[in-house]
Amino acid sequence: DTGVSQDPRHKITKRGQNVTFRCDPISEHNRLYWYRQTLGQGPEFLTYFQNEAQLEKSRLLSDRFSAERPKGSFSTLEIQRTEQGDSAMYLCASSPRASRPEAFFGQGTRLTVV
Amino acid sequence: AQTVTQSQPEMSVQEAETVTLSCTYDTSENNYYLFWYKQPPSRQMILVIRQEAYKQQNATENRFSVNFQKAAKSFSLKISDSQLGDTAMYFCAFLITQGGSEKLVFGKGTKLTVNP
Repeated sequence: DTGVSQDPRHKITKRGQNVTFRCDPISEHNRLYWYRQTLGQGPEFLTYFQNEAQLEKSRLLSDRFSAERPKGSFSTLEIQRTEQGDSAMYLCASSPRASRPEAFFGQGTRLTVV
Repeated sequence: AQTVTQSQPEMSVQEAETVTLSCTYDTSENNYYLFWYKQPPSRQMILVIRQEAYKQQNATENRFSVNFQKAAKSFSLKISDSQLGDTAMYFCAFLITQGGSEKLVFGKGTKLTVNP
């Protein structure tokens, strides 16, 4: 499978715990995005990487959220001190270059905070 | 503000018939991309079709085509010969490129049901 891979697919955590999600983009895609999707809504942008550089972080993200993309390959999204409002589907996407800007999405990580 | 509006929360169509999903957007940019994505139940988002704003010709992909009206900022999706597998949420999205960053802005989606 050469698509975007996300791990885990599902995560249930207690309020206050930290969680980390991983995204492996399509090989050679230098652009990587994280989005959050709640029930009945379209995805909302969280952050964007070009290679290893994080070029934009949404104002939606509090300081409890951090994302990294070491070496410009896989990426991790960490949420510290989770709250019930963090419950959502977290989507990762990648795209190859400016001339082909269409994003390819992974299957997402569904987070439930109890 | 850069926004995407999908005014039809739900739609249904009979198998083999044609359906059109509406989308309007707001931007001050002149060069941009528009997309339709499909999200089947409990499955990943799949690209259906894309349109470059500088191209006057409407994009087509097999049974899927768009009606792009740049002046009206309208970008509707037409599905011909609807199939049961077309049942899904459909999201219209607009690619923003600003200051070296890129992001998609999505509408709230239209839930399409294809009935046998």
